[in-house]
Amino acid sequence: EVLLLESGGGLVQPGGSLRLSCAASGFTFNSYAMSWVRQAPGKGLEWVSAISGTGGAAYYADSVKGRFTLSRDNSKNTLYLQMSSLRADDTAIYYCAKAIGVIVVDNYFDYWGQGTLVTVSS
Amino acid sequence: DIVMTQSPDSLAVSLGERATINCKSSQSVLYSSNNKNYLAWYQQKPGQPPKLLIYWASIRESGVPDRFSGSGSGTHFTLTISSLQAEDVAVYYCQQYYSTPPYTFGQGTKLEIK
Repeated sequence: EVLLLESGGGLVQPGGSLRLSCAASGFTFNSYAMSWVRQAPGKGLEWVSAISGTGGAAYYADSVKGRFTLSRDNSKNTLYLQMSSLRADDTAIYYCAKAIGVIVVDNYFDYWGQGTLVTVSS
Repeated sequence: DIVMTQSPDSLAVSLGERATINCKSSQSVLYSSNNKNYLAWYQQKPGQPPKLLIYWASIRESGVPDRFSGSGSGTHFTLTISSLQAEDVAVYYCQQYYSTPPYTFGQGTKLEIK
């Protein structure tokens, strides 16, 4: 059974930093690209960032480029999202999502975690 | 970036009736070399993560009831629920995955029981 378990969310002040983790199990982690997708309270889905199965290629939405860094540790089956210079509009549930291929091309998402809430507020 | 626009924003349908949700992309998501439309549909129930329903515009994900179907090509797509059940109350999103990111979602369509 595929499981994705996010952690690391919480309350952070504007300008602060936070690191999200996504622990994966039930599939060969390094064979699949992974993404983060976020959802602001009461709003729709926004793709944030994606990384290839090897970790060699990462992509970012313009809204987070230069502030967020996506990485993965395939030996630990874990995905990380380092977030810095956080703003109020980064407040959202952050979902970890598994793509259907190893490269970051043609990715739709067949499994999603339950999400972790990030609140940016003073 | 490819902009995805869904219609309507909300929809109320009687139990057992057909529900139709539309999705339009700002540019074609049909790749001519393989004749595939790079379009997926997701269902999100309250308090839950999204669930994949349809990919390649018309392929049902394993375990999805056959009352759900996807159609369309190029820039216009449709998700149809042939006979609405109470458990289908949710928000539905389309997503394009044409080429490299950014991947983009429609704004969502909220489906309720009339």
